[in-house]
Amino acid sequence: DAKTTQPPSMDCAEGRAANLPCNHSTISGNEYVYWYRQIHSQGPQYIIHGLKNNETNEMASLIITEDRKSSTLILPHATLRDTAVYYCIVRVYNTNAGKSTFGDGTTLTVKP
Amino acid sequence: DVKVTQSSRYLVKRTGEKVFLECVQDMDHENMFWYRQDPGLGLRLIYFSYDVKMKEKGDIPEGYSVSREKKERFSLILESASTNQTSMYLCASSAGGGGTNEKLFFGSGTQLSVL
Repeated sequence: DAKTTQPPSMDCAEGRAANLPCNHSTISGNEYVYWYRQIHSQGPQYIIHGLKNNETNEMASLIITEDRKSSTLILPHATLRDTAVYYCIVRVYNTNAGKSTFGDGTTLTVKP
Repeated sequence: DVKVTQSSRYLVKRTGEKVFLECVQDMDHENMFWYRQDPGLGLRLIYFSYDVKMKEKGDIPEGYSVSREKKERFSLILESASTNQTSMYLCASSAGGGGTNEKLFFGSGTQLSVL
């Protein structure tokens, strides 16, 4: 699986959009981009994933650049409960070859 | 709702003890994973399994073994616990098959302390 690079920490004001970047410059054509978050003392929670098109669900939006070398997770109206560590990972399509490596992620702090 | 259940939230063991960490999923998932999480090191994959009785080493398998006798259950075994195995252990599962089915569902974790 390709490696990812994320900033170690970010702050965001409550009610504003939080934009979390991720670099995955070595991504290959059959790898998906996945985002998870981990709230303190809990297991990580799936947020969203994509291959090359932008994606949106009830939690967030995912913007993937045309060359697929980077992506941005957008939380449109951040709340205090969105304070967490956010992980960006890439995974191969073939399940038998897949294993995930989670880096240190980005610690997002949403402030009142 | 989907569920991955880890048998213990907190566990305290002594050096040299044999330790079993149990994980059960109720989603009929093919794949199951064991990670450990340490401050500053992120989540590191220990072992994973893509079928009953099948297992593959992850990034840090040394000192651990696993067992998957039934599809829903994946056990992590520390044959002789050591203090450097004090950590948060997380179990996860995924349906398999690519794309959406590679979503990982995590348990709440087991905080293991080896004294």
